[in-house]
Amino acid sequence: QLQLQESGPGLVKPSETLSLTCTVSGGSIGSTTYYWGWIRQPPGKGLEWIGSMYYSGSAYHNPSLKSRVSTSVDTSKNQFSLKLSSVTAADTAIYYCARHGDSGYSYWGQGILVTVSS
Amino acid sequence: QSALTQPASVSGSPGQSIIISCTGTASDVGSYNLVSWYQQHPGKAPKLMIFEVSDRPSGVSHRFSGSKSGNTASLTITGLQAEDEAEYYCCSYVTGSAWVFGGGTKLTVL
Repeated sequence: QLQLQESGPGLVKPSETLSLTCTVSGGSIGSTTYYWGWIRQPPGKGLEWIGSMYYSGSAYHNPSLKSRVSTSVDTSKNQFSLKLSSVTAADTAIYYCARHGDSGYSYWGQGILVTVSS
Repeated sequence: QSALTQPASVSGSPGQSIIISCTGTASDVGSYNLVSWYQQHPGKAPKLMIFEVSDRPSGVSHRFSGSKSGNTASLTITGLQAEDEAEYYCCSYVTGSAWVFGGGTKLTVL
C-alpha cells in the first residue's frame, strides 16, 4: 500500500523559506505513470494546488505562486520536496503531498500544519 | 487561474439524493475530461471519490456518480447516509499544465 508522509518545520518566520519533504513508501517515486504534487489548505478554507513534478525533475507550478515556489525530486531517497520563499501569514496552511495522474489525486499524505509567525 | 465555483453548502435527508455542481471555464472543465471529486472529513486528508468525470476508484460506493455538461461538472450522491456528511471538492486540469480546485461544498445530512 502506497504511503506518503510530509515532514518539516511546523513554524516558519515571515520572509523566510518554508521547506517540506514528502517521503514515499510502498512504491517507487520513479514511476513513469504518475506525478507527485503539493496541495495546501489554509485553516477553515479550501484546497489550493501548489505544483506537481515528475520523477525526471520536470515540474509545473501554480502561476499565482510561481515566483516563490521550487520543487525537486530525489529518486535515491524516494522523496520529493517543496520550497516556498518569502512567506507571509497568508501561507499558513496544512500542506499535503499527493500522488496523481490523469485519474486524479489518488494517494495523499496526512498533511502537515505550517504556521508562519514571528 | 480562479477556483472552480461550487455552492458553499447543500443538504439532504437520509435516503435522499443531492447534486453538487462545479462550474469552470473553457480552459478547464469545458475542455478536458480530467475532473475529479474529493471527500474530506474534518481533520482528515481528502479522499478521491470520482476521477475522469465519472469513474469511481475501487472501493468507492456506487451511490457516488459524476457527470459533465459544458463547463459544469456535477457530483451526485444517492441514498444519503450520515457518513456522507463532509466537505466535497472538485478539481480539474487547466490548459498550460496546471490544476485547479473548487472552493468546496459542505454537505449536511439532516
